[in-house]
Amino acid sequence: NAGVMQNPRHLVRRRGQEARLRCSPMKGHSHVYWYRQLPEEGLKFMVYLQKENIIDESGMPKERFSAEFPKEGPSILRIQQVVRGDSAAYFCASRAGRGYGYTFGSGTRLTVV
Amino acid sequence: AQRVTQPEKLLSVFKGAPVELKCNYSYSGSPELFWYVQYSRQRLQLLLRHISRESIKGFTADLNKGETSFHLKKPFAQEEDSAMYYCALSGYNDYKLSFGAGTTVTVRA
Repeated sequence: NAGVMQNPRHLVRRRGQEARLRCSPMKGHSHVYWYRQLPEEGLKFMVYLQKENIIDESGMPKERFSAEFPKEGPSILRIQQVVRGDSAAYFCASRAGRGYGYTFGSGTRLTVV
Repeated sequence: AQRVTQPEKLLSVFKGAPVELKCNYSYSGSPELFWYVQYSRQRLQLLLRHISRESIKGFTADLNKGETSFHLKKPFAQEEDSAMYYCALSGYNDYKLSFGAGTTVTVRA
């Protein structure tokens, strides 16, 4: 089991471009969580998805950010028209269900120039 | 509302000295507490869950419901323990992990 796979590991975007971050959960895990880690800060919850459904997006900015977890393929966190303040490490975690442990990916470090 | 507080942003200890990372929480129900470790820009790894009551890499943590604390302790710090440590909380009927701001531990030779 390869664990939670995130790609790309590093992503550089110019202001105004779109950023797409991918997360493949562990095999058998149908629950995916996205967290953002700003420099010198802890991890902040963004969104929780199960297959094809957004369960909780209360931590995600209302504009420019969206997330999906299709029936087939990885979960995608999409940031449109990126700004410098979006520069951060974005971590994905998955688990098999409630009551199970969370496994984190290595993260995607987004830099907006 | 659930909240996790790690009062120390930075902690520096000498090799072989004891180390204690403080974590306090607020949660109205029965929480599940975790400690995660992040070595130099790598992925977060689960270090401890309070329900398992294990000792991992010499670390232990006891949930004190009276003091609402889940402090992480190790009697003899090693240089490889230098990392960022996060305390996290989840409710039994919840799904989100709420993280503290983290404590950066530096173990000096």
